[in-house]
Amino acid sequence: QQQVKQSPQSLIVQKGGISIINCAYENTAFDYFPWYQQFPGKGPALLIAIRPDVSEKKEGRFTISFNKSAKQFSLHIMDSQPGDSATYFCAALMGSSNTGKLIFGQGTTLQVKP
Amino acid sequence: DTAVSQTPKYLVTQMGNDKSIKCEQNLGHDTMYWYKQDSKKFLKIMFSYNNKELIINETVPNRFSPKSPDKAHLNLHINSLELGDSAVYFCASSPWTGVTDTQYFGPGTRLTVL
Repeated sequence: QQQVKQSPQSLIVQKGGISIINCAYENTAFDYFPWYQQFPGKGPALLIAIRPDVSEKKEGRFTISFNKSAKQFSLHIMDSQPGDSATYFCAALMGSSNTGKLIFGQGTTLQVKP
Repeated sequence: DTAVSQTPKYLVTQMGNDKSIKCEQNLGHDTMYWYKQDSKKFLKIMFSYNNKELIINETVPNRFSPKSPDKAHLNLHINSLELGDSAVYFCASSPWTGVTDTQYFGPGTRLTVL
């Protein structure tokens, strides 16, 4: 119930293409869903986040789509660039726990080919 | 003007030794965390402190002991190191444990136990 399942494990996309990473969760008490981006040798950094009362959130080339009934959410990277090559983690948090405990997905390594 | 810093960046040690990793944040945040990232890049929360009070204590061997001398510092001490402790350890901080608070990660400490 505390898991967040992420797919695919790795993804190769051509420059200019769309990268799509999917996540699913079981616990309906989760109420905050951030995506973190991690470059090699660096710590993860928040990319974009969504709450379940919104079905879509867009920030530049990055969009989160959220399907509350299916308990799934996904990250879309439009016009993917080589500089987007990194590992992406979805995560979920239960605000009511008041602990800030993030449950991370397994991560997706994205490679954008020039 | 590093936000979250960790020392050392690399730590190579023998099995059975005791070692410490230090973390400092200059963001004025109240909450700090320790995460472990394994060889498959899976990120898992270990501990969190809010204003020097332990908030999260996951199922972690009691060889791991966090210490928070003040709210800007959270150190991790590991006794009797084992091969399975080899991983990258990330410190993070956030303003509070509220739902939408971004967690800011440090650069990580790569621990190798021989």
